[in-house]
Amino acid sequence: NAGVMQNPRHLVRRRGQEARLRCSPMKGHSHVYWYRQLPEEGLKFMVYLQKENIIDESGMPKERFSAEFPKEGPSILRIQQVVRGDSAAYFCASSTFGAPSYNEQFFGPGTRLTVL
Amino acid sequence: GIQVEQSPPDLILQEGANSTLRCNFSDSVNNLQWFHQNPWGQLINLFYIPSGTKQNGRLSATTVATERYSLLYISSSQTTDSGVYFCATPNNDMRFGAGTRLTVKP
Repeated sequence: NAGVMQNPRHLVRRRGQEARLRCSPMKGHSHVYWYRQLPEEGLKFMVYLQKENIIDESGMPKERFSAEFPKEGPSILRIQQVVRGDSAAYFCASSTFGAPSYNEQFFGPGTRLTVL
Repeated sequence: GIQVEQSPPDLILQEGANSTLRCNFSDSVNNLQWFHQNPWGQLINLFYIPSGTKQNGRLSATTVATERYSLLYISSSQTTDSGVYFCATPNNDMRFGAGTRLTVKP
């Protein structure tokens, strides 16, 4: 049973370019969460999605960041016009159930974004 | 939102020693998870423990929800236990503690 998959594992972008991060949840999971981890810090929640719906995006910057989880295919976190401060590890997690009966979340290996 | 505090922030042990890591949360929670982030950055699920005690090999965890804390016990530590241990409250916006960085020396 494959776990949560993320790609790419490493991504290098120059300032002003776009970054697209992909996440395929575990089989049978329909709830996806994105987190950001800055160096030497804990994980910070960004956004929670179900298929075709954004449930909670309270942790996501209002500008340049967007997320989707289409009916078919992986969830995508998109960062437009990247800046050096966007350099971080971005983790995706998935769960069987979300609101209101939150259960265990399982994490992917992360995408390490470096902005030059 | 819920605040999650972990202690100690850093811990250095000799191989074979035991340790207790603590997680305090500011409000009642329905669920709690413990993770190990290894030196390669991977997050590994250790326990999903809203209340009570669970054991898995050398690791065990106890959550006392009414008193708003959880404890992670590591016995007979090994160098492969090194890394950062996080507790977190699964919710819409899962809140992570800042972590305990554990270094186990041979």
